[in-house]
Amino acid sequence: EVQLLESGGGLVQPGGSLRLSCAASGFTFSNYAMTWVRQAPGKGLEWVSLLGGAGGATYYADSVKGRFTVSRDNSKNTLYLQMNSLRDDDTAAYYCAKALMTDSVRAFDHWGRGTLVTVSS
Amino acid sequence: IVLTQSPVALSLSPGERATLSCRASQSVGTYLAWYQQKRGQAPSLLIYDASNRATGIPPRFSGSGSETDFTLTISSLEPEDFAVYYCQQRANWPLTFGPGTKVDIK
Repeated sequence: EVQLLESGGGLVQPGGSLRLSCAASGFTFSNYAMTWVRQAPGKGLEWVSLLGGAGGATYYADSVKGRFTVSRDNSKNTLYLQMNSLRDDDTAAYYCAKALMTDSVRAFDHWGRGTLVTVSS
Repeated sequence: IVLTQSPVALSLSPGERATLSCRASQSVGTYLAWYQQKRGQAPSLLIYDASNRATGIPPRFSGSGSETDFTLTISSLEPEDFAVYYCQQRANWPLTFGPGTKVDIK
């Protein structure tokens, strides 16, 4: 059974940093691209970042480019999101999700329950 | 690519048919997915590549369309189908989601 478990969320002041983790199990982690999607309270889904399965290609939303860094440790089956220079509008639940197939990013078929990041002074 | 979903909300009764629309600001081919999100839960994949049902998704859910116009149809609403539905494109970076359509009980 595929499981994704995010952690690392919490309360942080504007300008601060936080690192999110997503522990994966139940599939060959290194074969799949992984993504981060966030959802501000009461709002819709916003794609944040994606990292290819082999840890090569990375992609970011314009709203986080230069501030967030996605990475993975395939030996630990874990995806990370390093978030720096946090702003109030980064407040959201952050979900990690697994790509549907190994050969392309068609869609995301398994999602974690999310971890809440609150940026506030 | 901007995705626009309509209607914003839909009030229907169990057993009725739901038709949800997603329009892209430029062609995405068939690189479009649909997700369902119930209150307090993570999204779940319904449809990928415009018309392919994900594993375990019942046949009352169907997707159609290409290029810029897409439709998600729920042929006969079950009580568990009342939720928010999002479309998402993967034709171009950045990936984008539509704003969602809320399907609630009439």
